[in-house]
Amino acid sequence: DVKVTQSSRYLVKRTGEKVFLECVQDMDHENMFWYRQDPGLGLRLIYFSYDVKMKEKGDIPEGYSVSREKKERFSLILESASTNQTSMYLCASRPTGARGTQYFGPGTRLLVL
Amino acid sequence: EDKVVQSPLSLVVHEGDTVTLNCSYEVTNFRSLLWYKQEKKAPTFLFMLTSSGIEKKSGRLSSILDKKELFSILNITATQTGDSAIYLCAVAGGTSYGKLTFGQGTILTVHP
Repeated sequence: DVKVTQSSRYLVKRTGEKVFLECVQDMDHENMFWYRQDPGLGLRLIYFSYDVKMKEKGDIPEGYSVSREKKERFSLILESASTNQTSMYLCASRPTGARGTQYFGPGTRLLVL
Repeated sequence: EDKVVQSPLSLVVHEGDTVTLNCSYEVTNFRSLLWYKQEKKAPTFLFMLTSSGIEKKSGRLSSILDKKELFSILNITATQTGDSAIYLCAVAGGTSYGKLTFGQGTILTVHP
């Protein structure tokens, strides 16, 4: 079974703090994704990566950056957290050629005070 | 810009009812449409549809795609309380690496 894990289920941070969200997958997938999920808005893509050290902006990259130093790990970084970044963050991975099927981690619920 | 719209946004039914969830889309270079179920955790994959008119079934759930009219439906028959969840529709398109565009989701609540 594909396993995608995220470093924290719940996180509380203060405005202005730097926040790191980690995602690890154990199936050697090339492609990894970070989404945020908000009520009424569904999942929105923040960034994705199709290879080590490669990244592309998604639909809402502002205020975020990412790092992919190893194939199995994809990190989302909030350089200076703001209250409007309070959300559920979901990581996903997908092998190349799987025609769109993505496997999701359990999510990190982030509260920025 | 790719767009996926789901309806209704929420639905409350009683056990035993049949429900139909809708998903319409506008996507460049359509590749596939996917349905996910999300309870209080990670979304779990239900179906992937690539061809029009071919129904996919899994137990009480079924789904079909219409590529001419650009929509899909997800049917759940004889609903149970365990079907209560958010149902997400997503479309893979464009030229990027399996990028999905999601709809807003439909919140289904099944009362006993």
